[in-house]
This record gives sequence, C-alpha cells and structure tokens, in this order.
Amino acid sequence: GDSVTQTEGLVTLTEGLPVMLNCTYQTIYSNPFLFWYVQHLNESPRLLLKSFTDNKRTEHQGFHATLHKSSSSFHLQKSSAQLSDSALYYCALSDGGSNAKLTFGKGTKLSVKS
Amino acid sequence: GGIITQTPKFLIGQEGQKLTLKCQQNFNHDTMYWYRQDSGKGLRLIYYSITENDLQKGDLSEGYDASREKKSSFSLTVTSAQKNEMAVFLCASSSPGGIYAEQFFGPGTRLTVL
Repeated sequence: GDSVTQTEGLVTLTEGLPVMLNCTYQTIYSNPFLFWYVQHLNESPRLLLKSFTDNKRTEHQGFHATLHKSSSSFHLQKSSAQLSDSALYYCALSDGGSNAKLTFGKGTKLSVKS
Repeated sequence: GGIITQTPKFLIGQEGQKLTLKCQQNFNHDTMYWYRQDSGKGLRLIYYSITENDLQKGDLSEGYDASREKKSSFSLTVTSAQKNEMAVFLCASSSPGGIYAEQFFGPGTRLTVL
C-alpha cells in the first residue's frame, strides 16, 4: 500500500534559521497528490499546502514545497523560521481518487526557539 | 465555510466498556473520516464513508465500528475500551477527490480509559 516517511520526531531550530522538513513517499499511482498539514498546539490539523504537478514549487504562508516524482519527495521549506511556526507538521499522500483518502506520515514536531 | 463538531470533547471510560463518539459537519461534504492520533504515530485512518450508509475500513478498524446514517453525521464506536488507552480521535470531511481533496478536521475527542 501507500506510505509516507517524514523527518523523525522533533526538529529544534533557532528563530531566523531556515526550515526543512523531509517527506518521501511510496505509491503505485503515477499521479499522486501531496499535502502538508499543520497542527498547532490544542488545534486541529489544517491544510498548509498541496501539489500534484511535478517540479512545480507551491507556496503558502511563507512555506514552500516542490513535488519531485523522480525522487518521490515533497520536502517542506521556509527561509526563516518564526516562533509561531512551532507546530506538528504532517505530510500526506492521496492517489487522487474520488474518495479523497489520505495516507499520513507520522508527523514532525517543529520547535522554534528565540 | 462550514464547521465540524465532535462530541464529547473528553471521554473517560472503563476497561471493556462500549463507547460512542459523534461527529457532525455542515459543509455538505460527501466523504467523512475517523482518525486516531497517538503521539509519534501520526494520524491513522479507522473508518471512512463516501456517502450516507457507506462504510469503508481503514488501516486501524479492528476494535471499532462506525455508522453513517445521515450525510451530515458519522459516529464511531469503540467496541471494548482497552485499559490505559489514551488517544485523540479526529473526525474529518472532504468534498470529492483529486486536487480538491482537502480534508477539514474537527476539534477532536480525547479518550482516557481507566
């Protein structure tokens, strides 16, 4: 079946440094849809950004990611971390089918310190 | 816009007890989902439903039942609560798949089994 692998556990950064959270996936589908969801403390997960176009950068709220089908990757990046970026980040994969079923990674907790 | 409500917010049960969690959405979405969230294990799909009276098993369906009697509501039953079990159960809904497959999440039900 489908699977998503993310940077393990906790990533701790100092404010102002760049952010990179890794996400790789495995699927038999040739046209997968990839998503990043963010969950702040005591909140529900919400969509951060999504893509289905190979080699096209997608951006939202200062974060960006590029789907690379050749390496099955969809890494999340930001040029300069802010304290408010501290949250749990999930990478997710959909086969694009009508049921919109997602396969989530285990999540990466990002902690940004001053 | 719309909203997803989950009841109860906190659920405390006894070992072996049957427990029911409820979810309502007013997005008029066709597909609804139940996920279990455990620290370090990500979001794992328990059941989903693509329309009223439809049920599809996810990866973690053993030990759970679900019911979708109306388009707007989706219930999850823990058939026999396990001692020391502690998790957050998240309900989500989405419109038809592909690029529009954004899932919207409810606030969660936090389960504790004594």
